[in-house]
Amino acid sequence: DSGVTQTPKHLITATGQRVTLRCSPRSGDLSVYWYQQSLDQGLQFLIQYYNGEERAKGNILERFSAQQFPDLHSELNLSSLELGDSALYFCASSVGLVSGLAEAFFGQGTRLTVV
Amino acid sequence: AQTVTQSQPEMSVQEAETVTLSCTYDTSESDYYLFWYKQPPSRQMILVIRQEAYKQQNATENRFSVNFQKAAKSFSLKISDSQLGDAAMYFCAYRSEGQGGSEKLVFGKGTKLTVNP
Repeated sequence: DSGVTQTPKHLITATGQRVTLRCSPRSGDLSVYWYQQSLDQGLQFLIQYYNGEERAKGNILERFSAQQFPDLHSELNLSSLELGDSALYFCASSVGLVSGLAEAFFGQGTRLTVV
Repeated sequence: AQTVTQSQPEMSVQEAETVTLSCTYDTSESDYYLFWYKQPPSRQMILVIRQEAYKQQNATENRFSVNFQKAAKSFSLKISDSQLGDAAMYFCAYRSEGQGGSEKLVFGKGTKLTVNP
């Protein structure tokens, strides 16, 4: 158990819909990352938050948004869903602010299927 | 932008043998951090080994070791005495740190390792 909790584990929704994925980081970790892993692909970095503020952005679509709340949990919102958005979405956390060699701990992921 | 390249989509090794997985990266920064993660069929991401760029000594964790060549921007993973449980996707990752808590942890596309009995 990494200590990072993602909900839900599985999600099936229709094209055009909007979903919210939730992540609770490990206790004490201030930095949260979101990744998208499509079938047989690597992890695409989407966005990183540190202590409630967006700090780094990767290849995140405009239809996607995220936030980190005062209690440090984070949500990834995906809207106007397309079939190509079907993927495994990972959240990871680390201590943040010069994590350095500190390990990024990953949740179990949310499997999103768009039909 | 930092990029991580894993040129071997798939590799195979015989049980008890040694295998090396390749990773190169592109960066203009002088200090950064490199990681290898393992993803078994369960999809859980597991840290295997890590290295800080300014340390020239290669990291070692039991049967796992790295060959870090900073000038060549290369960070290969060697697995010795391969075991069936080593079969997984292996991802090389690069972390850089910017101002105010900005961190990019960028992954390569992965190498699928098969261990044959």
